[in-house]
Amino acid sequence: NAGVTQTPKFRVLKTGQSMTLLCAQDMNHEYMYWYRQDPGMGLRLIHYSVGEGTTAKGEVPDGYNVSRLKKQNFLLGLESAAPSQTSVYFCASSYSNTGAGYFGPGTRLTVT
Amino acid sequence: QKEVEQDPGPLSVPEGAIVSLNCTYSNSAFQYFMWYRQYSRKGPELLMYTYSSGNKEDGRFTAQVDKSSKYISLFIRDSQPSDSATYLCAMTQYSSASKIIFGSGTRLSIRP
Repeated sequence: NAGVTQTPKFRVLKTGQSMTLLCAQDMNHEYMYWYRQDPGMGLRLIHYSVGEGTTAKGEVPDGYNVSRLKKQNFLLGLESAAPSQTSVYFCASSYSNTGAGYFGPGTRLTVT
Repeated sequence: QKEVEQDPGPLSVPEGAIVSLNCTYSNSAFQYFMWYRQYSRKGPELLMYTYSSGNKEDGRFTAQVDKSSKYISLFIRDSQPSDSATYLCAMTQYSSASKIIFGSGTRLSIRP
């Protein structure tokens, strides 16, 4: 039981490049979330999903897109990376909607 | 003004001491309160989840909510070096995880 895994762990992008972050969970959770964590800002929700085939915007969705084609996977895309997207990205999942219970190890992204 | 305020620390205490971590908030509608522990370069893990006011105990950890003062606390008894981490408070007025507001975290160090 791996829990929540994220790929890649680290990435450096140039401004304007695109990339996709992959999140996978093996707990059969319905709910999945993408957060970013910046110093002094706490965790902020980017997008979330309440089930396979559904997505919704969180607090800071601009510049990101997501897809949930399979229940166990939640993808976060950056179409044209900007330096302001330099951050640590966390995926999380939960079996109910009352709390983001399980977090992945994070992806450290630097945009130069 | 942030909705949730948390002293960033760092807070350094000797092993065996009682630790008190705190958050204040401005939205009186918040009624679900959480504490997460985050080790360096890891994802947050949910420690405590409480609804409304009062205390909740789990082993060496006690979560306390004072809604009249808009103040929540996490107490750690018999602190251990393994408790050294950043502690995030989080809260929401809804039961929906998509509306959780996180504090920016307090860095705690337990000296052996």
